[in-house]
Amino acid sequence: AQSVTQPDIHITVSEGASLELRCNYSYGATPYLFWYVQSPGQGLQLLLKYFSGDTLVQGIKGFEAEFKRSQSSFNLRKPSVHWSDAAEYFCAVGGVYNQGGKLIFGQGTELSVKP
Amino acid sequence: NAGVMQNPRHLVRRRGQEARLRCSPMKGHSHVYWYRQLPEEGLKFMVYLQKENIIDESGMPKERFSAEFPKEGPSILRIQQVVRGDSAAYFCASSPLGGSAEAFFGQGTRLTVV
Repeated sequence: AQSVTQPDIHITVSEGASLELRCNYSYGATPYLFWYVQSPGQGLQLLLKYFSGDTLVQGIKGFEAEFKRSQSSFNLRKPSVHWSDAAEYFCAVGGVYNQGGKLIFGQGTELSVKP
Repeated sequence: NAGVMQNPRHLVRRRGQEARLRCSPMKGHSHVYWYRQLPEEGLKFMVYLQKENIIDESGMPKERFSAEFPKEGPSILRIQQVVRGDSAAYFCASSPLGGSAEAFFGQGTRLTVV
């Protein structure tokens, strides 16, 4: 079955520290992978996406993610966290064009930032 | 170019009433997706529509829920005879193409059933 797992429900890091949010997926074909961020009471904003090519993708706000096919992972990283990064982060996987394109989301990781 | 517009942002309904949630996709986008986010959970796909067609409704509950995307006007997600368990945030996303081309999300409608 297709699924996305974000093992960490809640993570707290100090401002200025590095961050890694984990994402593992189960998908029958080469997936399209996404990371979204959701601030309280808001919609989702796309941070970055992987379709093909270079497995290290750069996104907005200083985020990057690395696709590792052998580990079925797409972990999100940021070298130095800012207080404004506190939010909920969702990893999602989607199919190729002929599968309709619906996204399967993980349960999310809530990030808190300590001053 | 305005983003995906959802209204209302907040909706309160009594049990047994009907809820209508609207989604106006971005200009030029003809593909719309609806997702539901229950408290403390991730988003779950409900339905995928193109203009005047339902493409994939595999995530829609079998009863009380329906969706449409007419030739003119916004996409509508309709929930009849709401129950407390329908309380959730409902998000709409639109895309210029099908597949996993980037979908842009609206800010959601938060439905509370009292």
